[in-house]
This record gives sequence, structure tokens and C-alpha cells, in this order.
Amino acid sequence: DTGVSQDPRHKITKRGQNVTFRCDPISEHNRLYWYRQTLGQGPEFLTYFQNEAQLEKSRLLSDRFSAERPKGSFSTLEIQRTEQGDSAMYLCASSQSVGLEFFGPGTRLTVL
Amino acid sequence: TQLLEQSPQFLSIQEGENLTVYCNSSSVFSSLQWYRQEPGEGPVLLVTVVTGGEVKKLKRLTFQFGDARKDSSLHITAAQTGDTGLYLCAGADYGQNFVFGPGTRLSVLP
Repeated sequence: DTGVSQDPRHKITKRGQNVTFRCDPISEHNRLYWYRQTLGQGPEFLTYFQNEAQLEKSRLLSDRFSAERPKGSFSTLEIQRTEQGDSAMYLCASSQSVGLEFFGPGTRLTVL
Repeated sequence: TQLLEQSPQFLSIQEGENLTVYCNSSSVFSSLQWYRQEPGEGPVLLVTVVTGGEVKKLKRLTFQFGDARKDSSLHITAAQTGDTGLYLCAGADYGQNFVFGPGTRLSVLP
């Protein structure tokens, strides 16, 4: 197992388009988190799954954002009708115990 | 809303020097993590501290959690160029929402 993977690593899209990102956590980890990081800032919490259940969602996660983890393994984050303010690095992390143990490399989204 | 502040925001030092960076909040955290992040990559976990007053050492890095579990420090002895990066602290309340500080950007010059 090589750690948390995310796909794609980079995405450029036009305003108004929908985008979907994928995260594959470390296989035995039941906790999965999505964070967003803009330039010069620390990551901001978006949502948290324990197995397939989405247990927490940030108020940052507007109705244009949806996340799923259908079988408790990989997760997807979809952004509908993208806006320029959505441009950021989207980070996924997985964990088996206390804390955010392992982050993926992130997906950098640029909305033109 | 819990907020974490980190200081200094930027730090540039020569190789071999010692340094300390700080992470402060007015809120109590059940645990606190320190991470190092390089450009274009995700953060890498360095340490988790859970007990007030706890001190953990990781080679040249020493982490301390404040007695009241509201603040933490990271001390690096004899910094190396490989220590260059963004140092982030993150605190957890009793849920799963980990709040990050804005980071300290460290540059170690040869």
C-alpha cells in the first residue's frame, strides 16, 4: 500500500462546469476526511466519513458540494456549477486512530 | 468558532541555528497535531500530543503541549536545509473537525 492517492492531481475548468475528484484512502482506514486549502492558508475542514456514513459537514460545504463514500472505501467530492472562489487545493486524509494521520497529495483545482 | 494562531508567520534562518515556532488558541483542544507541508504536496504528520504538559521528541524536533491544552510549541535544534517547509498545527475539539492554523513558513539557508 503506497498511501492515500487522489485523482486527478490537477484540474482546470471553466466557471459553471461540474468537477469530480476521487480519493483512495489507505485500505484498512475507516475514517476519511476532505479539506480545502487556499494559497497561504491552512487547510479548512469540509467533511468527514466513518466507513460509508458522512458524519460531519462544514458550513463551508454549500449545496453545490457533495461527497460520497459508497462502500466505505474510496470517496468522491463533486462540485457543481464551479465558481472562481472554488479554486484551491482539495486534500483527502485517512486515519485509523486519533488525528489526521495520512494526507494524499491533493487535487489542485483552477476555475477560469 | 475555534481559531488557531501561529507565529511567526515567516522565519528564515541559517543552517545549524535553533528555532521555536508557536501555536496558540483561546480554545481547549482534546489533541493537537503538527504537520510539515512542502509545495504542491499534502501535509505530513509529525506528531500528535494529547496530554496537557506533554513533551515529545522526534530526533531534532521537540514538541510541547501547554498545560491547559490551548497552546503548543515546536523547537528545532540545529536546523538543516531539509527542514524547510510550511509547519502547520491542527487542534481537535471533541468531534472530528480538526482546525488548522495558517502555518509558519520556515526557510533554512545553507
